[in-house]
Amino acid sequence: QKEVEQDPGPLSVPEGAIVSLNCTYSNSAFQYFMWYRQYSRKGPELLMYTYSSGNKEDGRFTAQVDKSSKYISLFIRDSQPSDSATYLCAARGGYSSASKIIFGSGTRLSIRP
Amino acid sequence: EAGVTQFPSHSVIEKGQTVTLRCDPISGHDNLYWYRRVMGKEIKFLLHFVKESKQDESGMPNNRFLAERTGGTYSTLKVQPAELEDSGVYFCASSLGTEGQFFGPGTRLTVL
Repeated sequence: QKEVEQDPGPLSVPEGAIVSLNCTYSNSAFQYFMWYRQYSRKGPELLMYTYSSGNKEDGRFTAQVDKSSKYISLFIRDSQPSDSATYLCAARGGYSSASKIIFGSGTRLSIRP
Repeated sequence: EAGVTQFPSHSVIEKGQTVTLRCDPISGHDNLYWYRRVMGKEIKFLLHFVKESKQDESGMPNNRFLAERTGGTYSTLKVQPAELEDSGVYFCASSLGTEGQFFGPGTRLTVL
């Protein structure tokens, strides 16, 4: 079983829609949760970084972590064509201040103009 | 502030040859990581440096891979001899500590 599971998509939505991306994880030791955005032929770009359970908002993006159900979500409001990319959820443990990241396989998102 | 840079962006070599990848982290970042994504798989951790010391090399596939970080600045990842299954995209990332890791653009390695 993968430690971080993510539906690979692809997911296609019209411009302006609310996008919901989700992941589950299995390792209870995970304390930090991240969403990365990756454009084609580019490196992953850190979008959101959260510690433990709760919500974090940054502009049109909201990250949500529910540790009781081991569920990670990213919501994108007022989606734009420029949001079209692969979104990677990721997690790491809290036992070390800079431990390795475990990635999901990524969800390919396409925003239709 | 310059981001993480990697060189080369692409490398095509034949099986049995040697390739060396280079990573320059964000200035001041003590933590440097190497990751790899092979075709159809998720990005996977290879190893972690804190300054010049290897903190965790549990993800290194085998002894054909050698990573170094001289002086705690840039890092190199050497593959010798390269095999077909080593093809993929090699990412380097750096961080100060508890915040997220910042990734470079990657080196796309093709072994023929």
